[in-house]
Amino acid sequence: DGGITQSPKYLFRKEGQNVTLSCEQNLNHDAMYWYRQDPGQGLRLIYYSQIVNDFQKGDIAEGYSVSREKKESFPLTVTSAQKNPTAFYLCASRDRNHDRAGNTIYFGEGSWLTVV
Amino acid sequence: DAKTTQPPSMDCAEGRAANLPCNHSTISGNEYVYWYRQIHSQGPQYIIHGLKNNETNEMASLIITEDRKSSTLILPHATLRDTAVYYCIVRGRSNYQLIWGAGTKLIIKP
Repeated sequence: DGGITQSPKYLFRKEGQNVTLSCEQNLNHDAMYWYRQDPGQGLRLIYYSQIVNDFQKGDIAEGYSVSREKKESFPLTVTSAQKNPTAFYLCASRDRNHDRAGNTIYFGEGSWLTVV
Repeated sequence: DAKTTQPPSMDCAEGRAANLPCNHSTISGNEYVYWYRQIHSQGPQYIIHGLKNNETNEMASLIITEDRKSSTLILPHATLRDTAVYYCIVRGRSNYQLIWGAGTKLIIKP
């Protein structure tokens, strides 16, 4: 099945630790995204990448880092500099070439990160 | 800031049509309207999108007003599984970012 796989689903982090969330897609999409969602809120963009070896900061990039070494992978590292990391994290991808769905963004199932 | 305005919550009886409104009064001519929904603790699911014509697919219908300043998502026969938060989003063809508001929490009641 084609889709976006995020792992782990649940992750606990101690204060001062860096953690990395995995995102893999087999949709052959060029663009990939990371969003953060807090309870009862909409999604906020952390980072996005339109092509391999290139990525751009979103609205709330501070305390996060990403890499895009392969087309199918876009891991997100939550660093110790992120002071309030407890949230639901969503990875998404999009085909930059127009298709019948009109550049629709597709999402993974999300990862819950909790600081303990 | 979000470019769309939606009511925070709505109820609908099971089997009836659910009509979810969205205001996007600042929409520009090349911006599409997208609808997604999110069931608790899952990734958002694409529903439908449109530019200026009404659209229909297997999930829903999208009605866009002639001035494009508002739209309505219609779920024709709502089921309990349609209970979710519904997001109305505006984006351009060259805009790689979606701006998400808080959405409408739709509760389908038996």
